[in-house]
Amino acid sequence: GAVVSQHPSRVICKSGTSVKIECRSLDFQATTMFWYRQFPKQSLMLMATSNEGSKATYEQGVEKDKFLINHASLTLSTLTVTSAHPEDSSFYICSANAPWTSGGTDTQYFGPGTRLTVL
Amino acid sequence: AQSVSQHNHHVILSEAASLELGCNYSYGGTVNLFWYVQYPGQHLQLLLKYFSGDPLVKGIKGFEAEFIKSKFSFNLRKPSVQWSDTAEYFCAVGGAGNMLTFGGGTRLMVKP
Repeated sequence: GAVVSQHPSRVICKSGTSVKIECRSLDFQATTMFWYRQFPKQSLMLMATSNEGSKATYEQGVEKDKFLINHASLTLSTLTVTSAHPEDSSFYICSANAPWTSGGTDTQYFGPGTRLTVL
Repeated sequence: AQSVSQHNHHVILSEAASLELGCNYSYGGTVNLFWYVQYPGQHLQLLLKYFSGDPLVKGIKGFEAEFIKSKFSFNLRKPSVQWSDTAEYFCAVGGAGNMLTFGGGTRLMVKP
């Protein structure tokens, strides 16, 4: 159980275009999903927290107009990189809270990531 | 604000050697601690987690970690590593709203 998928796994686009990345929890419902960005040889940086049915909460320094997040259902969150530029090239990873874990605190399960290259 | 520090950026070991990866955190509230592993070309997987109770936590693949509150540490250990343990290991702290803060990661290479 607790499988999270992302689509696409890899995308190459031209500068100025928008790219949508989907994150799905396949076998559980996730009221909260998270979006991370991972630079080469670096750790994951949290970009935003996505809550089903409400607006996402963005971390400091993350442009909400550039990185649009929609959490339309309990199994799907999308990240749209608008007007992408080469500096947006990165590895984007989503995670979803698995609500059944013990201790009253959720555990996050991660998707396989999406590598975005902006030419 | 919470922060996580992993002091070892790169570790190289021979098979059968013992492993200990350091993780120190700072957080003012009730702490939830995690170790994740990322094998080459794969996504992050949960190794183990600590929420409460026994501070010695056993995870998958023979890994364990000990929560030492007085030292703000949650070091990962394995008594005998295998070549297949070559991966990057991330320590993370869970805070309010289930947000995770990750350490910088430790790249482990196990030589056969």
